[in-house]
Amino acid sequence: GQSLEQPSEVTAVEGAIVQINCTYQTSGFYGLSWYQQHDGGAPTFLSYNGLDGLEETGRFSSFLSRSDSYGYLLLQELQMKDSASYFCAVRKAGTALIFGKGTTLSVSS
Amino acid sequence: GAGVSQSPSNKVTEKGKDVELRCDPISGHTALYWYRQSLGQGLEFLIYFQGNSAPDKSGLPSDRFSAERTGGSVSTLTIQRTQQEDSAVYLCASSIDRENTEAFFGQGTRLTVV
Repeated sequence: GQSLEQPSEVTAVEGAIVQINCTYQTSGFYGLSWYQQHDGGAPTFLSYNGLDGLEETGRFSSFLSRSDSYGYLLLQELQMKDSASYFCAVRKAGTALIFGKGTTLSVSS
Repeated sequence: GAGVSQSPSNKVTEKGKDVELRCDPISGHTALYWYRQSLGQGLEFLIYFQGNSAPDKSGLPSDRFSAERTGGSVSTLTIQRTQQEDSAVYLCASSIDRENTEAFFGQGTRLTVV
């Protein structure tokens, strides 16, 4: 089966940088994705890492190390609107996306 | 359609009744997923459809839960003899194909069993 571990909560202030870690265990690995979900909203796709290294999209970056079964999402220049839950997800070949339990990010002024 | 559409958006049902939840994926998307999310919790995988392949039902919590996908498009999740612990938001998502990791989610159906 698959399992993913990520912190349950992270707090930060506006303008700061925050890193949300994700470790996973899965037999057969197809890539690590990150999703954002605001309260009452639907999850939305943020990024995907299929290979080791860093992917950058604006203020958000995501990193993957397949040898360490580890990845992280880096959020820079935090804004109040970044307050949300962030989920890492793995895809095992031929099966659905499996999500972690999510990290609630609270950004204060 | 422009996005994944789910209906109803809210459903209140009495314990023991059956309910059907509908998902209309993005046109042309061959992969379709159902997840369950309890208040403040993560996304619990329920079932996955990919094209004409046999669905991955490994996440269904009991035999009261079933799902079908007709014509490779619309999907219906059925919960029989609902229990209070079935209360949750049921989310549907679709992606272009099995290789694509970007899943597009609907707004969900909030199910309340009283």
